[in-house]
Amino acid sequence: GENVGLHLPTLSVQEGDNSIINCAYSNSASDYFIWYKQESGKGPQFIIDIRSNMDKRQGQRVTVLLNKTVKHLSLQIAATQPGDSAVYFCAETHSGTYKYIFGTGTRLKVLA
Amino acid sequence: NAGVTQTPKFQVLKTGQSMTLQCAQDMNHEYMSWYRQDPGMGLRLIHYSVGAGITDQGEVPNGYNVSRSTTEDFPLRLLSAAPSQTSVYFCASSARELSYGYTFGSGTRLTVV
Repeated sequence: GENVGLHLPTLSVQEGDNSIINCAYSNSASDYFIWYKQESGKGPQFIIDIRSNMDKRQGQRVTVLLNKTVKHLSLQIAATQPGDSAVYFCAETHSGTYKYIFGTGTRLKVLA
Repeated sequence: NAGVTQTPKFQVLKTGQSMTLQCAQDMNHEYMSWYRQDPGMGLRLIHYSVGAGITDQGEVPNGYNVSRSTTEDFPLRLLSAAPSQTSVYFCASSARELSYGYTFGSGTRLTVV
């Protein structure tokens, strides 16, 4: 909803630049990770996922990097566009359970 | 494809009132969950279900009940609304396989006065 962005860390980038959003996950046993995008007034929407047997996965304009050693996940958005403005969440889970743990989110602001 | 449908989109309740938030999915997903979203706190799991007739508590279940009589529907009941339950509520569903994670509904914004 509209209040999701309150109190969240904010990343401001110029239109056309690349964006990098970071996430520290909590459970070393987690083996599946997802990035979600949430626009104002909408529910989270799947962007890209990665399994723990991979370090990198690429989609259209997005790349997810996974560093299991330091339990860190990042989302890279190439050539950031105004439509990329949203709150981005990472989520983790273990294949033995379908319960996801969500990060608190980062708000991305794209400056024209 | 409707996906996950939540009703109502907005609701104002008085303290002590009860109500049911509706959630329906048409993807034949086994897993369904309810989350609440508060500013700066991300998504917190209230209750979840791994299939019809099976439900369990998440991390913040107090004050809420659920049931899963069919695969499609997973209503969330607020027993006696409190101002602390003012939040945005999301229903989500997922297939058993770990792919594409959850599909979320568009949310219900609940205000308890």
